[in-house]
Amino acid sequence: NAGVMQNPRHLVRRRGQEARLRCSPMKGHSHVYWYRQLPEEGLKFMVYLQKENIIDESGMPKERFSAEFPKEGPSILRIQQVVRGDSAAYFCASSPPGFTSGSGEQYFGPGTRLTVT
Amino acid sequence: GQQLNQSPQSMFIQEGEDVSMNCTSSSIFNTWLWYKQDPGEGPVLLIALYKAGELTSNGRLTAQFGITRKDSFLNISASIPSDVGIYFCAGQGAQKLVFGQGTRLTINP
Repeated sequence: NAGVMQNPRHLVRRRGQEARLRCSPMKGHSHVYWYRQLPEEGLKFMVYLQKENIIDESGMPKERFSAEFPKEGPSILRIQQVVRGDSAAYFCASSPPGFTSGSGEQYFGPGTRLTVT
Repeated sequence: GQQLNQSPQSMFIQEGEDVSMNCTSSSIFNTWLWYKQDPGEGPVLLIALYKAGELTSNGRLTAQFGITRKDSFLNISASIPSDVGIYFCAGQGAQKLVFGQGTRLTINP
């Protein structure tokens, strides 16, 4: 049973370009979360999605960042017009259906390391 | 927003020693989780705690969910070289996880 898949593992973009990060949840999981990690820090929540729905985007910057989890295919985190401050590791996590508030157990992918030059 | 204070920030120990780290919060959480992260990888779930006062073991790891629901600790007994890494606590209120700053564990053979 494959774990959470993320690609690419490393992404280099120049300032002003767009970055697209992809996440395929674990088989059977229907809840996806995106987190950002700066060097030497813990992970910071960005957004929580279910299929075709954004449930909680309280951690997403208001501009340039968007996320989707379509009916078919992976979840996508899109960053438009990247700036140097967007350089970080972006992690996706998934949890199974029937998940209710407080039941935990989010499983993480290996991350995408974004470098903006 | 919610914050977790994790301590210590780093530990340097000898192989075979026991390790203890903890997290405290100003907010109540319904679930506490402990993760380990190796360089260049994502966090790996070690232990999940769901009830206040719960004590759970996973091999040489033992974790407890504090009675007040505002703290948790993780103990590692008889450390081995592969225990090296960064350990994160995470509290869960409504779906999203709030992470501590991490404890970096270094082991001298």
